[in-house]
Amino acid sequence: ELKVEQNPLFLSMQEGKNYTIYCNYSTTSDRLYWYRQDPGKSLESLFVLLSNGAVKQEGRLMASLDTKARLSTLHITAAVHDLSATYFCAVDTFSTSGTYKYIFGTGTRLKVLA
Amino acid sequence: DTGVSQNPRHKITKRGQNVTFRCDPISEHNRLYWYRQTLGQGPEFLTYFQNEAQLEKSRLLSDRFSAERPKGSFSTLEIQRTEQGDSAMYLCASSRLGQNTEAFFGQGTRLTVV
Repeated sequence: ELKVEQNPLFLSMQEGKNYTIYCNYSTTSDRLYWYRQDPGKSLESLFVLLSNGAVKQEGRLMASLDTKARLSTLHITAAVHDLSATYFCAVDTFSTSGTYKYIFGTGTRLKVLA
Repeated sequence: DTGVSQNPRHKITKRGQNVTFRCDPISEHNRLYWYRQTLGQGPEFLTYFQNEAQLEKSRLLSDRFSAERPKGSFSTLEIQRTEQGDSAMYLCASSRLGQNTEAFFGQGTRLTVV
């Protein structure tokens, strides 16, 4: 069964610092998504990564995908308080029965301290 | 608003009662998913529809759970004889057909069983 693991699970960082969140998955897939979730809210799409070597950047966040290593990273540059949230990666899987589904990671709860 | 719409947003029910949630996907999205998210966890896949056909059900979906998508439009998720362990956020998502299509999530229905 596909497993998606994120680390760290919790991250407390100072404003202005850089950090990377890692997402490892256990089966072949070349489609990976990053979402942000604020407390009590739904999932907001951040990045769609659809091929090996894909890199996407938006503001202070940059995501990359290495399908050979089964690894995606979400890099935070010069963190600000507004980035405090929980971040999830999700791997898109397709079965021979014709089913698509996302398998989500455990989530990384980020807190940026002023 | 052309996003995924879920109703109700919040539901408090007594143990043993039946509840039904509704999801209106983005129009022309053939795929529809239900996920469940408990506090501090990532979303867990429940079931997947392609048009009106329910193609996969998770083992998490016990006999008390049933989902429908009549005519391939809106979907309902019913929980019969609710238990306290059913308390969670229920998320609906939809996407187009195709290999590299992104799923968009609704705001969710938060269920509390007392």
